[in-house]
Amino acid sequence: GAVVSQHPSWVICKSGTSVKIECRSLDFQATTMFWYRQFPKQSLMLMATSNEGSKATYEQGVEKDKFLINHASLTLSTLTVTSAHPEDSSFYICSAPRQNYGYTFGSGTRLTVV
Amino acid sequence: KQEVTQIPAALSVPEGENLVLNCSFTDSAIYNLQWFRQDPGKGLTSLLLIQSSQREQTSGRLNASLDKSSGRSTLYIAASQPGDSATYLCAVSPLSGNTPLVFGKGTRLSVIA
Repeated sequence: GAVVSQHPSWVICKSGTSVKIECRSLDFQATTMFWYRQFPKQSLMLMATSNEGSKATYEQGVEKDKFLINHASLTLSTLTVTSAHPEDSSFYICSAPRQNYGYTFGSGTRLTVV
Repeated sequence: KQEVTQIPAALSVPEGENLVLNCSFTDSAIYNLQWFRQDPGKGLTSLLLIQSSQREQTSGRLNASLDKSSGRSTLYIAASQPGDSATYLCAVSPLSGNTPLVFGKGTRLSVIA
């Protein structure tokens, strides 16, 4: 199979603090991880693409200093939301492609900033 | 630029009915096509993956077809159940490897008991 485990599934944090979201590929090596955010009843919006061992590529309009992505190993990619504000409250999902299995998605993280 | 369109945007059917969800894409140069299901507040679950060389895939009550030349795919759900209620997303992956999927906006399905 192709399983991506995402944690935490939900988190509530105070404004100004940082939150780290982890995505682990459990049974394959994910050289690439895509990070999305999704607002209620809207489509997935691609935020950035991370490749193991190199800097992430961010989509236009996404602040790279606010959304720090690290892909230091073939099985772990992390997204850190720094100095979170209420407008960062959203659903964040990661995804990794695996040959012959297509793309696998994590279960998502519901971030609420209060 | 690849664009994916899904019709209808929403669909409500009585339990037991067979139904078809449609997906079209503008660029036939795709690596594969994937159908996903998303329940409210949850991640995406892959339902069926169709490689570009394939015409269809089946899993249980689900059957997906792919006509690459005409840029179309359909997802057929047989004998629908209330548990099938969810948003169904069609996505294509470009030919170049490890690039992000291009998604349609989804079809929101409600199966009424």
